[in-house]
Amino acid sequence: DVKVTQSSRYLVKRTGEKVFLECVQDMDHENMFWYRQDPGLGLRLIYFSYDVKMKEKGDIPEGYSVSREKKERFSLILESASTNQTSMYLCATLGSGNTIYFGEGSWLTVV
Amino acid sequence: GQQLNQSPQSMFIQEGEDVSMNCTSSSIFNTWLWYKQDPGEGPVLLIALYKAGELTSNGRLTAQFGTTRKDSFLNISASIPSDVGIYFCGDGNQFYFGTGTSLTVIP
Repeated sequence: DVKVTQSSRYLVKRTGEKVFLECVQDMDHENMFWYRQDPGLGLRLIYFSYDVKMKEKGDIPEGYSVSREKKERFSLILESASTNQTSMYLCATLGSGNTIYFGEGSWLTVV
Repeated sequence: GQQLNQSPQSMFIQEGEDVSMNCTSSSIFNTWLWYKQDPGEGPVLLIALYKAGELTSNGRLTAQFGTTRKDSFLNISASIPSDVGIYFCGDGNQFYFGTGTSLTVIP
C-alpha cells in the first residue's frame, strides 16, 4: 500500500511565523504535489515537483515555497504565515496508471 | 487558472435514492477523474475517464465523459450511509479540481 504521511495533522501558528509542512512518501514516486483545500473552492494546486530539487508553481504559489531535497520528502514552507493561509493542506504523489495518492491532510490555523 | 464548476454544492438525500452530480470546465479535457473524500481523510480516486462519450462504472458508481469534452457526470445508485463525503472532479494532470459536492445520506 502506498503511504503518504503528513507529519503534522493540526497546527496553530501566529501571524508572521515560519511554518514547515512535511510530506513523506514510501513508494519512490517522482511526482509530488501540495494543495490547499477551502470550503467552496475545492483543492487548489500550490506547487508540484517532478524530481529531486525540481519545483514548479501551481495555481496559487504566492506566499509559499517548497523544498525537495530527497525524492521521498516534499516540504511546503510558509515564510511568514498570514491569517488567509488558514486552511487544510494536502500532499499527494502520483503513481503508475495516473493514480494519485493523498495524505490525510494538515489543518493549519494562523492566529 | 482553469475553472471547474461542480454542482450541486451539497446534497441531502434519503438512503436508497440515486445521486447525480456534474462538473464543467472552461476548456477541453483529455481526462476526467472523480474522487471521494471521507471526513478527515484525503481524497481517493474513484473513476478515471479517458475519451469523450466514455461511460465507466465502479460498483454503484457510474461516470461519463461528456461529448463536448468540457463536462463530466457522476451518478451513484441506491445510496448508502457510507457514501457520505465530498466528491470532486479533476483533470488528468492533477492540476485542477472541482469545487466539490458534499453528500449527506440520511438513513
